[in-house]
Amino acid sequence: SQELEQSPQSLIVQEGKNLTINCTSSKTLYGLYWYKQKYGEGLIFLMMLQKGGEEKSHEKITAKLDEKKQQSSLHITASQPSHAGIYLCGAVGGTSYGKLTFGQGTILTVHP
Amino acid sequence: GAGVSQSPRYKVAKRGQDVALRCDPISGHVSLFWYQQALGQGPEFLTYFQNEAQLDKSGLPSDRFFAERPEGSVSTLKIQRTQQEDSAVYLCASSSRTGDDGYTFGSGTRLTVV
Repeated sequence: SQELEQSPQSLIVQEGKNLTINCTSSKTLYGLYWYKQKYGEGLIFLMMLQKGGEEKSHEKITAKLDEKKQQSSLHITASQPSHAGIYLCGAVGGTSYGKLTFGQGTILTVHP
Repeated sequence: GAGVSQSPRYKVAKRGQDVALRCDPISGHVSLFWYQQALGQGPEFLTYFQNEAQLDKSGLPSDRFFAERPEGSVSTLKIQRTQQEDSAVYLCASSSRTGDDGYTFGSGTRLTVV
């Protein structure tokens, strides 16, 4: 079965700093999703990556999928307190209907 | 509706009690998933529906867990004889196809078994 490892597990940064979260898969990624979760709430879809080398941006968040499609990174530029939360990567694999396997999450704290 | 709606938001159950958790997906979404999220962990797959058909229930942890979607829209996850280890957030997600537009998650039901 596919396993996803996220690093770091938690991250504390000062407002305005850049940061990167990594997601490494034990198998080739055929679809990689990034979600954000506020404590006690559901998951908010950020981006989906499918092609090796693909890069997508939304506001100050950029996600990349490496050429070998086994690692993805999420980069936040000039972080703000509103970026705080839990970031989860989820991978599609092994089924035709899109069952997701998630990493354990990265807890981001941004100090004003 | 505009999003995926789950109810109740919070449920406290005494050990041994049966509970039912409801998910109302986005209208017209064919695919519906249930996930279980333990504290400090990522969500883990429980079961998948395509319309009213339950095509994968491999993630259900025991035969105390049962899910249905009889008319292909609203789904109910039922847990019989709840145990403390069932305490978690139960998330429902729906999608129009196999995730091309991202899966839309509900806010979840936080179940606490005491």
